[in-house]
Amino acid sequence: DQQVKQNSPSLSVQEGRISILNCDYTNSMFDYFLWYKKYPAEGPTFLISISSIKDKNEDGRFTVFLNKSAKHLSLHIVPSQPGDSAVYFCAASAQGTYKYIFGTGTRLKVLA
Amino acid sequence: DTGVSQDPRHKITKRGQNVTFRCDPISEHNRLYWYRQTLGQGPEFLTYFQNEAQLEKSRLLSDRFSAERPKGSFSTLEIQRTEQGDSAMYLCASSPLDTFAHFGDGTRLSIL
Repeated sequence: DQQVKQNSPSLSVQEGRISILNCDYTNSMFDYFLWYKKYPAEGPTFLISISSIKDKNEDGRFTVFLNKSAKHLSLHIVPSQPGDSAVYFCAASAQGTYKYIFGTGTRLKVLA
Repeated sequence: DTGVSQDPRHKITKRGQNVTFRCDPISEHNRLYWYRQTLGQGPEFLTYFQNEAQLEKSRLLSDRFSAERPKGSFSTLEIQRTEQGDSAMYLCASSPLDTFAHFGDGTRLSIL
């Protein structure tokens, strides 16, 4: 039972354009959501997070949007850069728990 | 800045052997997590420590798996009588209270 789903295994975007990565979840108890970026042979690196009391959080080129009614979040990267090429994981946790439930990841390729 | 350190980076062993991995969290991080990641999947939660107390274990953690965090500092994850299905990347993460987890680069386990 996949509680966090990333339905697009891969995405290619031209340098300078917007990258939009999507994530859906099924557990209504999730109240904290995160995006991690992973390069080959490295561990996941934290990118940005959002609490369920917000619908948007922005950090530089990265913005995460949360639509609680649709149980959907998205990560926008503007402008996309070749160094953004990596696998992006969406993760969620429920209040009172400390573990993250991860999606299966989306491989982003930014073309120069 | 010292991040989460994991040792060894790679471990190759024969089926039936015991293996032990070590994780050194970021200094003063109270929380320590173990995750497992297989090909094409996101990290899956295994277990969680707050200081030296192991507060949660996943059903994925069979009786052959044991984790410790003596004195609330480094942690070890032992797998006894390894099986083919144990081949995976084992990720350790740590965090202070109420913020995101920092991941190490993992230990890749290969079972021959």
